[in-house]
Amino acid sequence: AQSVTQPDIHITVSEGASLELRCNYSYGATPYLFWYVQSPGQGLQLLLKYFSGDTLVQGIKGFEAEFKRSQSSFNLRKPSVHWSDAAEYFCAVGARGTNAGKSTFGDGTTLTVKP
Amino acid sequence: DAGVIQSPRHEVTEMGQEVTLRCKPISGHNSLFWYRQTMMRGLELLIYFNNNVPIDDSGMPEDRFSAKMPNASFSTLKIQPSEPRDSAVYFCASSLGQGNEKLFFGSGTQLSVL
Repeated sequence: AQSVTQPDIHITVSEGASLELRCNYSYGATPYLFWYVQSPGQGLQLLLKYFSGDTLVQGIKGFEAEFKRSQSSFNLRKPSVHWSDAAEYFCAVGARGTNAGKSTFGDGTTLTVKP
Repeated sequence: DAGVIQSPRHEVTEMGQEVTLRCKPISGHNSLFWYRQTMMRGLELLIYFNNNVPIDDSGMPEDRFSAKMPNASFSTLKIQPSEPRDSAVYFCASSLGQGNEKLFFGSGTQLSVL
């Protein structure tokens, strides 16, 4: 069975600073990988996904993530954080051939942005 | 498109009462999912449907929980009788259902069982 770990429960960065949120997964083969963002009182919104091909994936809102097979990681990055990026971020891993809804979600990382 | 619509947004009820949560998926989406989110357990998949048929209900915690999808545009998640430990945010999501494409989430129902 797959699993995903987000080591950082809470991260605080200053507006304009760079951001990296960590995600490590466990799966026997190359999985499908996702990053979602959840704003307060809202459902999750997909930021980006990796299925195959280029290991650097571009998403919405200026986010990108890099799949590193050797490290079993899929870290999310943004070069310059905006105050509106404050939210909770979830990494998810899915088994190939299964429905995206059966993905396993991490516990989330809460991002606070300082002015 | 209006997106995935859940109702109610908030529900407060007393222990032992029946609770019904509702979801309208995005038109044309063939897969529908019910999730529960709590601080302790994070986001858990309860059940999902493909073409109105329940495919995997292994995440449903107990027999007190049941879900139906009578047609392609409507699903319910029912808890009877409700217990305080059922308090959580319940999300519905839908997808085209053809593979690993993106999920579209509703805004959730905040359930408080007193």
